[in-house]
Amino acid sequence: QQPVQSPQAVILREGEDAVINCSSSKALYSVHWYRQKHGEAPVFLMILLKGGEQKGHEKISASFNEKKQQSSLYLTASQLSYSGTYFCGTDRGSGGKLIFGQGTELSVKP
Amino acid sequence: SAVISQKPSRDICQRGTSLTIQCQVDSQVTMMFWYRQQPGQSLTLIATANQGSEATYESGFVIDKFPISRPNLTFSTLTVSNMSPEDSSIYLCSVEDPFSSYNEQFFGPGTRLTVL
Repeated sequence: QQPVQSPQAVILREGEDAVINCSSSKALYSVHWYRQKHGEAPVFLMILLKGGEQKGHEKISASFNEKKQQSSLYLTASQLSYSGTYFCGTDRGSGGKLIFGQGTELSVKP
Repeated sequence: SAVISQKPSRDICQRGTSLTIQCQVDSQVTMMFWYRQQPGQSLTLIATANQGSEATYESGFVIDKFPISRPNLTFSTLTVSNMSPEDSSIYLCSVEDPFSSYNEQFFGPGTRLTVL
């Protein structure tokens, strides 16, 4: 089942904060976050593993609630370059196969 | 992280024809993944390509339509066969970072396919 992301879209002013959520109905091994700009490939931001380990972008933070199968991506002091579509990809321990959410479109205005 | 390239970067094809997309990685990787992204949509996994074995296809994707080759640990191809306009999509390959124990995945630049 495809994870559900919320919100579907968000508009920010530069410097504002945003939270993007990703929720799955199945137990997860890891959650991967990507940002995709129009016409480009998705860019890796963060991976969160069952057990608490995580690795990713130094200016972006995220959390992973294993019991609820939920992850949140925290974007603080947003910059114009943060604009794009954010996808979470969930891995149920199936050898790296990712199932992606429908995406959250983030627009940062000056 | 590994550097991934894809060829072609884009193509416009006639219905009924086939297109083979190449994915090249600058490091040896165990698994390569092929995804499809239809216009304005999310990414959908087509198949997993392991060197030395048959590709594993996800529900809704079949080998006759999307044959995959994986001749070595740095290269894979995906063929889109007997194309129709519904196949117009971006096709992306991805690999797990071979230099990391976290299994993060990185995507190639993608192949933008338009079928007329």
